[in-house]
Amino acid sequence: DAKTTQPNSMESNEEEPVHLPCNHSTISGTDYIHWYRQLPSQGPEYVIHGLTSNVNNRMASLAIAEDRKSSTLILHRATLRDAAVYYCILRDDWGYGGSQGNLIFGKGTKLSVKP
Amino acid sequence: KAGVTQTPRYLIKTRGQQVTLSCSPISGHRSVSWYQQTPGQGLQFLFEYFSETQRNKGNFPGRFSGRQFSNSRSEMNVSTLELGDSALYLCASSRDPNTGELFFGEGSRLTVL
Repeated sequence: DAKTTQPNSMESNEEEPVHLPCNHSTISGTDYIHWYRQLPSQGPEYVIHGLTSNVNNRMASLAIAEDRKSSTLILHRATLRDAAVYYCILRDDWGYGGSQGNLIFGKGTKLSVKP
Repeated sequence: KAGVTQTPRYLIKTRGQQVTLSCSPISGHRSVSWYQQTPGQGLQFLFEYFSETQRNKGNFPGRFSGRQFSNSRSEMNVSTLELGDSALYLCASSRDPNTGELFFGEGSRLTVL
C-alpha cells in the first residue's frame, strides 16, 4: 500500500503559486520523498526529491516538515502545462528496503489549472 | 539524448492470446522496471531488472513475465490474456538501481477484446 496521503484534487489559477500537500506519518529514517507527475497521455515524469532539507530545482520546490511526517510540493507559477496528476512517493534510496525500481504509487492529486 | 522507447504504442489482442512488449532504456541506463496502469488500480509495479537479473517482482500472476538483454533492453510478456489485462504498460529506466530518478516511456496501451 502507498505510504502517503494526498488530496484527490486541487485547482489553481494560471501564474499563481500552487502548494500540493503530502502526509507520510510512517516515514522511516532512510525514506526519501519523491514527487512525480503524469501529464495526460504520458508516462510519469520526475519532479523533485529530498530527504530532510528543502530542495529547489527548475521545476519546483520541496518543503519538508521538520519531523518529516509531511511535505509540500510548491509550483511557484502554475502554467496550463502543469495540469497533471502529482504523486508523492516514499522510497528507501539507501537500499535497505530492497529494490529501488519499485515505486509505490498512490492515487495522487489531480491538479487543474484555470486560465 | 533519446528517452525511453516503448513499442508498440498501441495494440489490440483477444482473450487467450499472448503479447510481448518491448522497452529500450536511455543509453547508459542499466535498470529497467515495468508498471501497469489501469483506471481502477492506478500504477502498479510489475518487475525490475538490472544487469539481466530480475531484482524484484510485484504481486502479479505468473502469466506476467519479463527479461532483460545484455544491451539493457527489456521485454515483458503476458500469456493467456484476460480482459482485465487491458491497461497502459509503462517502462522506466534509471542509471543506478539504488537511487536517482526514474525516466518513464510513454507506454504501450494494450486492449484485450
